[in-house]
Parts: sequence; structure tokens; C-alpha cells
Amino acid sequence: GDSVTQMEGPVTLSEEAFLTINCTYTATGYPSLFWYVQYPGEGLQLLLKATKADDKGSNKGFEATYRKETTSFHLEKGSVQVSDSAVYFCALTDGGGSYIPTFGRGTSLIVHP
Amino acid sequence: ETGVTQSPTHLIKTRGQQVTLRCSSQSGHNTVSWYQQALGQGPQFIFQYYREEENGRGNFPPRFSGLQFPNYSSELNVNALELDDSALYLCASSPSAGFNYGYTFGSGTRLTVV
Repeated sequence: GDSVTQMEGPVTLSEEAFLTINCTYTATGYPSLFWYVQYPGEGLQLLLKATKADDKGSNKGFEATYRKETTSFHLEKGSVQVSDSAVYFCALTDGGGSYIPTFGRGTSLIVHP
Repeated sequence: ETGVTQSPTHLIKTRGQQVTLRCSSQSGHNTVSWYQQALGQGPQFIFQYYREEENGRGNFPPRFSGLQFPNYSSELNVNALELDDSALYLCASSPSAGFNYGYTFGSGTRLTVV
């Protein structure tokens, strides 16, 4: 079945540091890939998405590139802020099977001033 | 444009009781999914409704049931509550059941079973 694997957290960074959160996936079809963010006490918000190989999704300084050859969709940001502290979820919807999003376990990001 | 709203925000129930959670989907969205998120875990898919019909179900027992109404709002019902049902329940809506769409999530209902 479909699955998403994220790096273990928490990831702890100082403000203005470079961020990478790794995400790899397995899927039976040709998936669309997503990153969601969950701030404390809130639901998930769609951060960015990519629907085909080599697409780059970007939003609010975050970006991720759909790499079919490595089945990866790593999240990056050049300079993190304290306000970026949250839990980040990688997810996929498999166009070859069901269209139900499958989520990773989430990676907590803590940014210190 | 209103987002996804869920009610109630918090709920405490006793083991064995039944609970109904409610969700109003974002305007223009006809697909609603429900997820269970245990503390420190990713959301686990419960089921999805598309135009009032269930069109997908995760690995949850039959005591988890749902409904979608003509206005595309939805309910999640859980019977015979167990302690392990304590979690954040998230509702998400999408413009369609098409796979290229992201989902808009509500803030969730925090259910505590004692």
C-alpha cells in the first residue's frame, strides 16, 4: 500500500538557519505530493503541492521538488523564523488508486531566537 | 469564503457512550474526509464522503460511521467509545474527489474518553 516516511523530529534550529525535512514515499500509481503544516492547537494547513515529476511546489519561502527517481519530496527553507515552529506533514494522494491522502507521522520543527 | 468548521471543539465522554461530531465543509467543496490524529502521530484516514456517498474507508471498525448531507456538511458517529478513541478528530474538505486537490482542514474536535 501507499506510505510516507518522514525524518524523525524534533528538528531544532536557530533563527535564519537553513531547513531540510526529508520525506520519501511509496505508491502504486503516480501520486500527487503535499506538505501540510500544523500549528499548536490548530488543524492542518496546506503549505505546498506538486503533481508531477520535477515540479517544484513553493509557498511562504518553503519549497519542495517532486523527485520520482528517488521517490522523495524534501521540504526546504533558506532562512527559518521563530513563527515557523510547527509540525510538518508530508502526504500523498495516489492517482492510480484511491484519491485519499496518506500522511506521514509528522516532523516537529522548533526554531529558537 | 468560509473554511471548514467543526463542532464541538472539545468533548469528554465516558467509555461505552456514543458521540457525534459535526463538520461544515468549505463553500463549493463536495468531498469530506474524516481523520483521527492521536497525540504525536499523523492523521489516520477514517472515511471519505463524496456527494453524500461513502467512497473510501480506512482501517476503522464499523462502530465508526458517518453521514454527508445535501449541503455537503458531515457527521462522524462513534458508538461504544473506548479509551483508545481519545484523539483529535479532523474533518477536511476538497472541491472534488480528484487527486490533484489539496484538502482544507478544520481545527478539529478534541475527544477525551474517560
